[in-house]
Amino acid sequence: AQSVAQPEDQVNVAEGNPLTVKCTYSVSGNPYLFWYVQYPNRGLQFLLKYITGDNLVKGSYGFEAEFNKSQTSFHLKKPSALVSDSALYFCAVRDMNTDKLIFGTGTRLQVFP
Amino acid sequence: NAGVTQTPKFRILKIGQSMTLQCTQDMNHNYMYWYRQDPGMGLKLIYYSVGAGITDKGEVPNGYNVSRSTTEDFPLRLELAAPSQTSVYFCASSSTTMNTEAFFGQGTRLTVV
Repeated sequence: AQSVAQPEDQVNVAEGNPLTVKCTYSVSGNPYLFWYVQYPNRGLQFLLKYITGDNLVKGSYGFEAEFNKSQTSFHLKKPSALVSDSALYFCAVRDMNTDKLIFGTGTRLQVFP
Repeated sequence: NAGVTQTPKFRILKIGQSMTLQCTQDMNHNYMYWYRQDPGMGLKLIYYSVGAGITDKGEVPNGYNVSRSTTEDFPLRLELAAPSQTSVYFCASSSTTMNTEAFFGQGTRLTVV
């Protein structure tokens, strides 16, 4: 079965520093991978996706993600964190066999001034 | 463009009561999903549908029922509410193409007492 894992419950970073939120995946075949962000008391918002092509994917709000097939990872990155980036981040994978959209457990990003 | 609309936003139920969480989308998406979000547990898939008249169980379907009589609507039914169903419920939709992102509603916060 397809799955994603987010090994960190929380990531803390100082404003202006680079940030990384980790995600690893387990799929059969080519992965369709997504990152979403959830602000307090809101639904999830799409950030970016990897389907095929370039391993570095650029998305909303200055975020990018690096797809690494050999390490089965899809880490979310941003060169310079903002306090307003503080939120809950979810990695997700589309299960090709069942059409399900499977989410990781989420990582809380806290950016300190 | 309304996107995905969920009603109600908040609800308190007594044990044993029933209710229907409404979800409607105006993007003509074939795929629709219901998730529940528990603190620290990420998103768990309850039911999903790949088109009108077709529904399938997700990871945690017990205690819930769904129907999909139209493309637009995907209501979630709780027949005998239990405290374990206290959660935040999210509805989402996406187009048929596997590489497209899902759009989420704002969520329904349900408390069973």
